[in-house]
Amino acid sequence: TQLLEQSPQFLSIQEGENLTVYCNSSSVFSSLQWYRQEPGEGPVLLVTVVTGGEVKKLKRLTFQFGDARKDSSLHITAAQPGDTGLYLCAVHGSSNTGKLIFGQGTTLQVKP
Amino acid sequence: NAGVTQTPKFRVLKTGQSMTLLCAQDMNHEYMYWYRQDPGMGLRLIHYSVGEGTTAKGEVPDGYNVSRLKKQNFLLGLESAAPSQTSVYFCASSWQGVSGELFFGEGSRLTVL
Repeated sequence: TQLLEQSPQFLSIQEGENLTVYCNSSSVFSSLQWYRQEPGEGPVLLVTVVTGGEVKKLKRLTFQFGDARKDSSLHITAAQPGDTGLYLCAVHGSSNTGKLIFGQGTTLQVKP
Repeated sequence: NAGVTQTPKFRVLKTGQSMTLLCAQDMNHEYMYWYRQDPGMGLRLIHYSVGEGTTAKGEVPDGYNVSRLKKQNFLLGLESAAPSQTSVYFCASSWQGVSGELFFGEGSRLTVL
């Protein structure tokens, strides 16, 4: 059983469309991170959300942490081909070791 | 800035062969990690280290060993490779253990025939 469930697993859209990716769990977290991974590269941190209900914006990307701190969403407005990649949500384990637990990821393809 | 560097980038092994993946970071980070990435399964933690000379098991440690003799290096070894270890391996490092950002290498693609 996955601690973090991401949906959808695959998404193929046209340039200019909007989309939302979800990261859900039955557990409560002190923080949650979103990473993006491009083909042939390692994941790169996009954002960390800490407070329940928090909304953070990164250009056309909007991240929200659920009020109960059990889930998060990533919304992309007017998607561009450069947004293509694997989006991963992640949370830290219970001990202070910095290790991250990842969701399965959402593969996004934006067609020109 | 080099960041996190992994070698080799690609390797093909036969079942039963051994090999070592090297991870080097130049950010003076205390924490280092080895993950494997398989389709549809995200990244799974193999082993990690919270400082020079220390190592600990992650989620999927069987068939792997690690060593952290120097702060900047974290080695992942496969003593007797199996086809189930075909995967992309990522090393990462972090400067703090709580809510810290992980910095990843570019990955090492390993195929075991």
